[in-house]
Amino acid sequence: GESVGLHLPTLSVQEGDNSIINCAYSNSASDYFIWYKQESGKGPQFIIDIRSNMDKRQGQRVTVLLNKTVKHLSLQIAATQPGDSAVYFCAENLNSGYALNFGKGTSLLVTP
Amino acid sequence: SQTIHQWPATLVQPVGSPLSLECTVEGTSNPNLYWYRQAAGRGLQLLFYSVGIGQISSEVPQNLSASRPQDRQFILSSKKLLLSDSGFYLCAWTEGGGSQETQYFGPGTRLLVL
Repeated sequence: GESVGLHLPTLSVQEGDNSIINCAYSNSASDYFIWYKQESGKGPQFIIDIRSNMDKRQGQRVTVLLNKTVKHLSLQIAATQPGDSAVYFCAENLNSGYALNFGKGTSLLVTP
Repeated sequence: SQTIHQWPATLVQPVGSPLSLECTVEGTSNPNLYWYRQAAGRGLQLLFYSVGIGQISSEVPQNLSASRPQDRQFILSSKKLLLSDSGFYLCAWTEGGGSQETQYFGPGTRLLVL
C-alpha cells in the first residue's frame, strides 16, 4: 500500500559523487516515464523522459534506466553538484489517459 | 518559447471564503491544461485536466471546480474553502493532440486556509 506521513526518503551524497535515485512503478501498461526535479517552493522541472521501447536514455549529466521486467526506473546524476539538491519525482503515463501518476518523491541532499 | 504563469503566488484565505486561481500559457495554441495539488511532503495529485475551451475532466470528487474560458487560460475555483484545501496548487500544460507528452509546470500557488 501507499506510505503515509510527511517524511520523504532522503539520499545524501557528497559533491562530485554520482547519485542514483530509484523509483518503482505499479502499472505494467505504463509506456512513458518522466523524471522531475522540484526545488523548495517551486514547480516541478522536467529533467528527462523515456518511452517503454527504450531501456536507457542519456542527457546532460543525467541517465534514466528503465527495467520493465521488474517495473523499475532509476535516475543517475553524474558528478552531483550542490544545485542538484531538490526533491526528485518519477511519473508514469498510462497509454489510455492524460494523467501522469507521480511517485512520492526522493529528497536529494548534496553536501560539500 | 512557451511560458506558463500562475497567480497569485501565495494566498491566505479564511474557511468558507471563495477561491479563484488563474493559470495562463503563452507561446502555444490549443494546449492540454492540468491542475494538480501537492500536500506538504507528498507527490502530486491530478485534480482537473482540459483538452479544449469549455472541456473539463475531473479526476477526483472535491470541493473545487475548474473552468477554461479561453484557449490558454485555466481557472481553479471554489465557492467555500475548507481547511483541507490548503496546499500547493500547480498548473501544467502539454502540447495538444496527444496524451504522451511531457507536462511542463508553472511556479505554483501556495494556499493556506485558516
